[in-house]
Amino acid sequence: DAGVIQSPRHEVTEMGQEVTLRCKPISGHNSLFWYRQTMMRGLELLIYFNNNVPIDDSGMPEDRFSAKMPNASFSTLKIQPSEPRDSAVYFCASSLGVLQPQHFGDGTRLSIL
Amino acid sequence: AQTVTQSQPEMSVQEAETVTLSCTYDTSESDYYLFWYKQPPSRQMILVIRQEAYKQQNATENRFSVNFQKAAKSFSLKISDSQLGDAAMYFCAYAVNSNYQLIWGAGTKLIIKP
Repeated sequence: DAGVIQSPRHEVTEMGQEVTLRCKPISGHNSLFWYRQTMMRGLELLIYFNNNVPIDDSGMPEDRFSAKMPNASFSTLKIQPSEPRDSAVYFCASSLGVLQPQHFGDGTRLSIL
Repeated sequence: AQTVTQSQPEMSVQEAETVTLSCTYDTSESDYYLFWYKQPPSRQMILVIRQEAYKQQNATENRFSVNFQKAAKSFSLKISDSQLGDAAMYFCAYAVNSNYQLIWGAGTKLIIKP
């Protein structure tokens, strides 16, 4: 079975540029999560979708961050404009629902210069 | 407040030995699930084991087992016959029925000595 697929695996870009991270959840999973992981803050939940609808985006740092899920098989996380402090590993995870294990993608390592 | 505490930032064990990673949590909910995830240097987050709170029997997955003490709100992970490939960060987490979020611990770095 295909797991959660994220792209790109690595992204290096200059401050001020737009960054788009992509995620394909596991087929049949109705819950999708975007996380950010840093050494200082650990794993932070950015946004949660259920059945393609954003349920909680309170973890999104600021208006520069936006996320969409146009259908059950695709989601994006966009940062515009990017800043050096956005450098982190961004994970997408999906699950069958509350109380079910979350399955993670390989993450995108984002470096903003 | 819902919290997860992993009191050991780092643990080391000799290859083939047994190691136990500790985890305590705080919740007032009665219906919840507990998880251990592993994150090797490759950074992928991998589910190791899951425990349903309503089950008294401790979950096991091959060399991995848990000691679930519900009254004490403790959920430790035992790794038997440690292998070099077990070297990773290990995160404890739980989910409650009333909330979609996983509550995560800060992680324990496990070092395997050859």
